[in-house]
Amino acid sequence: GNSVTQMEGPVTLSEEAFLTINCTYTATGYPSLFWYVQYPGEGLQLLLKATKADDKGSNKGFEATYRKETTSFHLEKGSVQVSDSAVYFCALSDPGSGAGSYQLTFGKGTKLSVIP
Amino acid sequence: DAGVIQSPRHEVTEMGQEVTLRCKPISGHNSLFWYRQTMMRGLELLIYFNNNVPIDDSGMPEDRFSAKMPNASFSTLKIQPSEPRDSAVYFCASSLGGGRSEQFFGPGTRLTVL
Repeated sequence: GNSVTQMEGPVTLSEEAFLTINCTYTATGYPSLFWYVQYPGEGLQLLLKATKADDKGSNKGFEATYRKETTSFHLEKGSVQVSDSAVYFCALSDPGSGAGSYQLTFGKGTKLSVIP
Repeated sequence: DAGVIQSPRHEVTEMGQEVTLRCKPISGHNSLFWYRQTMMRGLELLIYFNNNVPIDDSGMPEDRFSAKMPNASFSTLKIQPSEPRDSAVYFCASSLGGGRSEQFFGPGTRLTVL
């Protein structure tokens, strides 16, 4: 079956530090990959996505590259801000998996705290 | 445009009571998802609908949980009878198209069962 593994949190960084949140996946087919962000008290919202190997998704200074050879989709940002404090979820969707093709399989989430 | 709308935002009830959570998806979206989020278990997919038809309800914890989607603009998740272990945040999400499409999440309903 499909699964997503992301680094355990919480992660605490100082403002302007470099961020990496690791994400690896297993999938039966050829998945699309997503990063979602959840700010306190809110629902999840899409941060970025990639639908094929070597694609790079980017948004708000965050980037992630779909690496098929290492089955990874690590999230990076060069300089974090206090406003980036949130929980980040890596997810995959496997359109070739029949009835499950509409589902997202989520990682457990990584809580990021950025301190001034 | 209005996003996914959920009601109520907060619900406190006593064990044994019936609870109904409501969701209005984004207009034009054809897939709807119900999730549950807890500290212990993270984010779990309970059920999803495509074109108002339930496709996979294997995530529904037990028979106390039921979900309906009578039309394209409304869905309910019902728990009867509720138990303290049902306390969680319940999210509804909708999307247009298949697996490569973004899911748009509502703000969630925080349920507390005493």
